Amino acid sequence: SQTIHQWPATLVQPVGSPLSLECTVEGTSNPNLYWYRQAAGRGLQLLFYSVGIGQISSEVPQNLSASRPQDRQFILSSKKLLLSDSGFYLCAWSQTGSGNTIYFGEGSWLTVV
Amino acid sequence: DQQVKQNSPSLSVQEGRISILNCDYTNSMFDYFLWYKKYPAEGPTFLISISSIKDKNEDGRFTVFLNKSAKHLSLHIVPSQPGDSAVYFCAATNSGGYQKVTFGTGTKLQVIP
Repeated sequence: SQTIHQWPATLVQPVGSPLSLECTVEGTSNPNLYWYRQAAGRGLQLLFYSVGIGQISSEVPQNLSASRPQDRQFILSSKKLLLSDSGFYLCAWSQTGSGNTIYFGEGSWLTVV
Repeated sequence: DQQVKQNSPSLSVQEGRISILNCDYTNSMFDYFLWYKKYPAEGPTFLISISSIKDKNEDGRFTVFLNKSAKHLSLHIVPSQPGDSAVYFCAATNSGGYQKVTFGTGTKLQVIP
């Protein structure tokens, strides 16, 4: 069966420090990968998606970037965090094809202080 | 432009009664719809989905209804249980190639014992 894990689960970072959240998927190949952020009252906002290694699309302009160095690895990064980057970040995957469900990781709480 | 709308931010229901969560969409290209359940500080969990070729899909206590002409879907939970208390997200996507999944802003369900 397929599993998805992301880490760290929580982190507190000072403004201006770098960020790296990592996500891996097991039990499948060539998945679509996603980074979402949940903000209060705004539901789940799609930040980045990837349909293959090295292929990253950004949905919203922001202070963050994403990379996919391997087929089942997705990394969310920032060189310098802002206070507004605080939030709950979710990695997700789906199988390629039509009418597919996306499955989420456990989430990572980021607090920028 | 909010293409998937959940107009009720919260709902309270007595244990044992029916919970009805509503969702409206504007994009006529959407042909696959999903419901997710989310507890605080956890990733959303997939509940149930429906394809646009159907108007009803049932899984145990959960039933999703789709009205394509009205661009409306609803999730029915019968009977409601205290463990159903969570935030429920409606989501929609279109088939083929890469499927971007668009989420609503969520409805917080409270089931009162």
